[in-house]
Amino acid sequence: DAGVIQSPRHEVTEMGQEVTLRCKPISGHDYLFWYRQTMMRGLELLIYFNNNVPIDDSGMPEDRFSAKMPNASFSTLKIQPSEPRDSAVYFCASSTLTSGRPDTQYFGPGTRLTVL
Amino acid sequence: GQSLEQPSEVTAVEGAIVQINCTYQTSGFYGLSWYQQHDGGAPTFLSYNGLDGLEETGRFSSFLSRSDSYGYLLLQELQMKDSASYFCAVSRGSSNTGKLIFGQGTTLQVKP
Repeated sequence: DAGVIQSPRHEVTEMGQEVTLRCKPISGHDYLFWYRQTMMRGLELLIYFNNNVPIDDSGMPEDRFSAKMPNASFSTLKIQPSEPRDSAVYFCASSTLTSGRPDTQYFGPGTRLTVL
Repeated sequence: GQSLEQPSEVTAVEGAIVQINCTYQTSGFYGLSWYQQHDGGAPTFLSYNGLDGLEETGRFSSFLSRSDSYGYLLLQELQMKDSASYFCAVSRGSSNTGKLIFGQGTTLQVKP
């Protein structure tokens, strides 16, 4: 399997622009997670989906952030309008829960977002 | 609320043993995981403890004491490639929901 795929790997944009980050989870995984990582705040869970349904979006910082998962193989995280404080590395991760085994999240390579 | 505490930095020499501690305060604790992240890379899973005791995976071991809300990651025979950040993460809920809350991470520097 190719692992979790994220695009783009790097994004530089100007304040006020819309940014869309993309993620393809590992085939067969039914959980998908979006994280944001910064030096100040560490690794924060933004939102996660189970079977394409958003389960917990309590980590989404504000209404400028939205996430969708239209099917089992694709998810997007959108920021509109973007602000300099959104600059961070955004990770997507996927997992599947197997009875008797711990959950193990597989992370994508991340998207490094810079908002000027 | 919930919180996880781990040291911010640890330094050790090649070939040595190092222990990274993690204490947590959370309701509905389910299990404790450890992840490794190299600079510029993505977090990768190392180990999980759902029950008290020691789990061993090669040079790495992880321990959990639910009564003490405490766990640690033990790295033996340190190698230069072990220089990375190590995160503990708790799973919460009456069942394993898959959601993890990560600590701030411990940066391990291995010196020759």
